[in-house]
Amino acid sequence: DQQVKQNSPSLSVQEGRISILNCDYTNSMFDYFLWYKKYPAEGPTFLISISSIKDKNEDGRFTVFLNKSAKHLSLHIVPSQPGDSAVYFCAASEGYGGATNKLIFGTGTLLAVQP
Amino acid sequence: DAGVIQSPRHEVTEMGQEVTLRCKPISGHDYLFWYRQTMMRGLELLIYFNNNVPIDDSGMPEDRFSAKMPNASFSTLKIQPSEPRDSAVYFCASSNRGNQPQHFGDGTRLSIL
Repeated sequence: DQQVKQNSPSLSVQEGRISILNCDYTNSMFDYFLWYKKYPAEGPTFLISISSIKDKNEDGRFTVFLNKSAKHLSLHIVPSQPGDSAVYFCAASEGYGGATNKLIFGTGTLLAVQP
Repeated sequence: DAGVIQSPRHEVTEMGQEVTLRCKPISGHDYLFWYRQTMMRGLELLIYFNNNVPIDDSGMPEDRFSAKMPNASFSTLKIQPSEPRDSAVYFCASSNRGNQPQHFGDGTRLSIL
């Protein structure tokens, strides 16, 4: 049973436009969420995170939104660049205060940014 | 700074052989994680260690899989005997104390023929 779901296996956007990647979760105990980016033949790299005490976190072109009531988070990339083309993984964990570092990952969304 | 180092990068072996994957975490990191990535199931946590002690091995698929961390700078994931369904990319990751993001190695692509 997938506790973290990324229902869109792929997404294609034009350079300069907004990319929106979505993630849903089922475990109400999750209180810390992360996005990772992965290029082919490399390991995932951390992109941005958010704790459940916030509903938005921004870092440059990347913003993560959290809707706890809907158990939904999204990653916005504005403006999208060809170098953003990668697989994006959503991950979640319980215990933001350090109780656990165990992350549950979604299956990923392949983003293609067209020049 | 050196990141998480995994070896080998690629491994091709025949069914029934023993396979050993290696990982060197980032110096100073207290947590070490082993993941498996497949098309069907994405990234799955197999086992993780804290201060060299296994904390949660509930993701280890069966007794053919074992993992050790003899010291703070080295860990192994062993499969014996290997089967074709074990073919996947295996990642090692490490992190600091607390809920810091995990840093991943570049993975080992394992093919069991």
